[in-house]
Amino acid sequence: NAGVTQTPKFQVLKTGQSMTLQCAQDMNHNSMYWYRQDPGMGLRLIYYSASEGTTDKGEVPNGYNVSRLNKREFSLRLESAAPSQTSVYFCASSERLAGVEQFFGPGTRLTVL
Amino acid sequence: GESVGLHLPTLSVQEGDNSIINCAYSNSASDYFIWYKQESGKGPQFIIDIRSNMDKRQGQRVTVLLNKTVKHLSLQIAATQPGDSAVYFCAERYAGNQFYFGTGTSLTVIP
Repeated sequence: NAGVTQTPKFQVLKTGQSMTLQCAQDMNHNSMYWYRQDPGMGLRLIYYSASEGTTDKGEVPNGYNVSRLNKREFSLRLESAAPSQTSVYFCASSERLAGVEQFFGPGTRLTVL
Repeated sequence: GESVGLHLPTLSVQEGDNSIINCAYSNSASDYFIWYKQESGKGPQFIIDIRSNMDKRQGQRVTVLLNKTVKHLSLQIAATQPGDSAVYFCAERYAGNQFYFGTGTSLTVIP
C-alpha cells in the first residue's frame, strides 16, 4: 500500500516550458487535491477533484490545469511555466470532499528559471 | 505562538520533555482544526483533529486543546523523541470544504 505517489520528485524548467505532474493514490479515495507550498506561507489549494469526473478551482488556479484521469490518478499541468510557479507541489487525497484527514504525497520540487 | 497567517519559527526541547506547540486562529466559524507533521523533504502527515464543539482530544502521545474563547489551539507532545523533530502546522476547516493552513513551527529535539 503505497498511499499517495507523485512524479517527478524534482524538476527544473525554463520559462515558457510545459510539464505535467503526476499523482496516484491506492486508498480508493474519492477526493484528490493539488497544493503548493511556498516559504513563509501555508499550503494553498490549486485545484481539487471531489470525485472521479469532477474538478474545481481552488485558491490559486491561475496558470494550471488538472485532469482526473480515473479514481486513482489526478494530474496537474503547467502549460507555460513562469518563475512565480517555483514551489513545492503536493498532491493529497481524502475519502470524501474536505475530509479532515488528508493523505499527502512526498511532493515535487519545481524550479522555473 | 503560531497563527494561521503568522508563524513561530522554532521550538527546541530536550528529549523526554513535553512539547507544546501553539496556534492562533481567526475564524470562529471553523468547524474542525487539524494538526499536521511535516518532516524535512516529505509531505505533511495528519496527526490529530478536533471538532469545534470539543475542548480536548487525545491521541497516542499527543493531546490537542481548543480554547474557542481566545481562538487558540495547542498540540502537546508527551515525552518528546528525536523522531518528533519536524515542522508542525495547524489547519482549520471553514465553510464545510475550505481549509486554511498555518505556516508551521519547527520543532527540534535535543538528545
